[in-house]
Amino acid sequence: AQKVTQAQTEISVVEKEDVTLDCVYETRDTTYYLFWYKQPPSGELVFLIRRNSFDEQNEISGRYSWNFQKSTSSFNFTITASQVVDSAVYFCALRLKTSYDKVIFGPGTSLSVIP
Amino acid sequence: DAGVIQSPRHEVTEMGQEVTLRCKPISGHDYLFWYRQTMMRGLELLIYFNNNVPIDDSGMPEDRFSAKMPNASFSTLKIQPSEPRDSAVYFCASSRNLGELFFGEGSRLTVL
Repeated sequence: AQKVTQAQTEISVVEKEDVTLDCVYETRDTTYYLFWYKQPPSGELVFLIRRNSFDEQNEISGRYSWNFQKSTSSFNFTITASQVVDSAVYFCALRLKTSYDKVIFGPGTSLSVIP
Repeated sequence: DAGVIQSPRHEVTEMGQEVTLRCKPISGHDYLFWYRQTMMRGLELLIYFNNNVPIDDSGMPEDRFSAKMPNASFSTLKIQPSEPRDSAVYFCASSRNLGELFFGEGSRLTVL
């Protein structure tokens, strides 16, 4: 079965704290793609990052960083020095090459950054 | 290049009426997805197309829902007859090959 789990439903942090959003996926495919999306209060879905299953290098983009570990089927997202503008729902997604390129989203984690 | 364009942005209708949601994907993208978002169920994949051909419609809730993609630049999602439980935000997204999905702004549907 293919599945994406985001165990943290809601997280609250105080501004400038670091926060890590967890994502665990399930698939038997060897080729797949992982994504993170941000949905701010305005409602649009904004693409943040794409990672393929053969590339386990961690990535950093400004205050954002991603840790991909195939051994634990996890693709975690860390925001350093959080800001109020980071308040949003964050979705992790899995795209499967062998299942006709289906894209499955996790349930999302709602992040609130308190000033 | 313009992003994914959805219409209408908001629709309020009465139970039993037909609803048609429209989507124009990004030019050159070969995949088109329809998702539904509710508080209870999150983002649900309803149906998706590759090169205008429906690939998987197993997420379509029931026969009241239908989707078409007559050409590479247009898709519709139709609900007939609509029911209050269909109230949700419906997102259309497109992608090129196995790349990231680009989402439209969504169509917020309220069925009274």
